[in-house]
Amino acid sequence: AQSVAQPEDQVNVAEGNPLTVKCTYSVSGNPYLFWYVQYPNRGLQFLLKYITGDNLVKGSYGFEAEFNKSQTSFHLKKPSALVSDSALYFCAVRDWSGAGSYQLTFGKGTKLSVIP
Amino acid sequence: NAGVTQTPKFRVLKTGQSMTLLCAQDMNHEYMYWYRQDPGMGLRLIHYSVGEGTTAKGEVPDGYNVSRLKKQNFLLGLESAAPSQTSVYFCASSELAGGYTGELFFGEGSRLTVL
Repeated sequence: AQSVAQPEDQVNVAEGNPLTVKCTYSVSGNPYLFWYVQYPNRGLQFLLKYITGDNLVKGSYGFEAEFNKSQTSFHLKKPSALVSDSALYFCAVRDWSGAGSYQLTFGKGTKLSVIP
Repeated sequence: NAGVTQTPKFRVLKTGQSMTLLCAQDMNHEYMYWYRQDPGMGLRLIHYSVGEGTTAKGEVPDGYNVSRLKKQNFLLGLESAAPSQTSVYFCASSELAGGYTGELFFGEGSRLTVL
């Protein structure tokens, strides 16, 4: 089975500073990787995905992610953090369910706090 | 746009009681999913459906049943609730292609407490 790991439970960053939320993956074959964001008391929202092509993927709200095959990582980044970026971030990988369908397997999440 | 709607948003049950969570989507999506979210555990897939009349087990299906009688609705049932089922439940949907590209649309969640 495919899996992702988010090594940090929480990341704190000052407003205006660059932010990085880390994700590493373990897959057999080509990885299909995703980032989702969850604001307080809301459902998850899709941010971006890597399927194939450029290693730097751009997504919503100014976020981007860098796919690194040699380090099996897919870190989420933003050049300048906003207080409104404070949320829970989930990395996910596409996995074959064995029942004729692909599913998403999520990491445990990283809480991002942007300090004014 | 309503998107994915879950009802109820909050519910408190006693051990052994039964209940049903309703998920409705208005995007004509084929795929629908039920996840549970627990602190430190992330999201875990309970059951899913690849189309009307179909259901399949996910990672943590025990204690839950589901039905997809209509394309737009996906019901999650607890026949005999247990405290271990205290959680936040999320429904999601995706287009047929979305099931392959990972773009899921989530509801706002249903918080269930089992005493």
